[in-house]
Amino acid sequence: EAQVTQNPRYLITVTGKKLTVTCSQNMNHEYMSWYRQDPGLGLRQIYYSMNVEVTDKGDVPEGYKVSRKEKRNFPLILESPSPNQTSLYFCASSPIGRVSYGYTFGSGTRLTVV
Amino acid sequence: DAKTTQPPSMDCAEGRAANLPCNHSTISGNEYVYWYRQIHSQGPQYIIHGLKNNETNEMASLIITEDRKSSTLILPHATLRDTAVYYCIVRVAGETSGSRLTFGEGTQLTVNP
Repeated sequence: EAQVTQNPRYLITVTGKKLTVTCSQNMNHEYMSWYRQDPGLGLRQIYYSMNVEVTDKGDVPEGYKVSRKEKRNFPLILESPSPNQTSLYFCASSPIGRVSYGYTFGSGTRLTVV
Repeated sequence: DAKTTQPPSMDCAEGRAANLPCNHSTISGNEYVYWYRQIHSQGPQYIIHGLKNNETNEMASLIITEDRKSSTLILPHATLRDTAVYYCIVRVAGETSGSRLTFGEGTQLTVNP
């Protein structure tokens, strides 16, 4: 089944403790992206990647890092999480260069930083 | 990407057609109209997209006005499981730079029994 898989689904952590949220897609998509969703603010893009080793900042990149060493994986790294990073996170992927069928989103990761 | 305007909420009776409007008066000639929905904190789900012709798939129909300044998503026989926030987005399809989906507030569709 074509899908974007995020792990974990739920995570509670403490301020300053480094964490990684994994994202993997099995559709050979070039484009991958991370969004966060907060009440009243909608979905905002954190980082995106056009292909392996190509990443760029989205609208709200502060406090986050990403890497794209393989086409299928796009982990989101919080080096020193803070409570304002408590949010619902989504990974998405899409093909590039042609009219696509839209983005495929993962099921989400609900992160709480205390 | 062009900005879109949607009503914040709509109600629909189960089994009836749900017609969700979207205004995109500043749409450019190479921008497509995409519709996504999000069911209660799940990942957004792609529904349909179109450029200028009406489109239909197994989930919905998309009607785009001739001047392309507005569109309507039609769910022909709404069910309770169609209760969700529906997002209308316009963007250039297949662009190779900054391919960001900009989500607005969307329309909360509530399907009532």
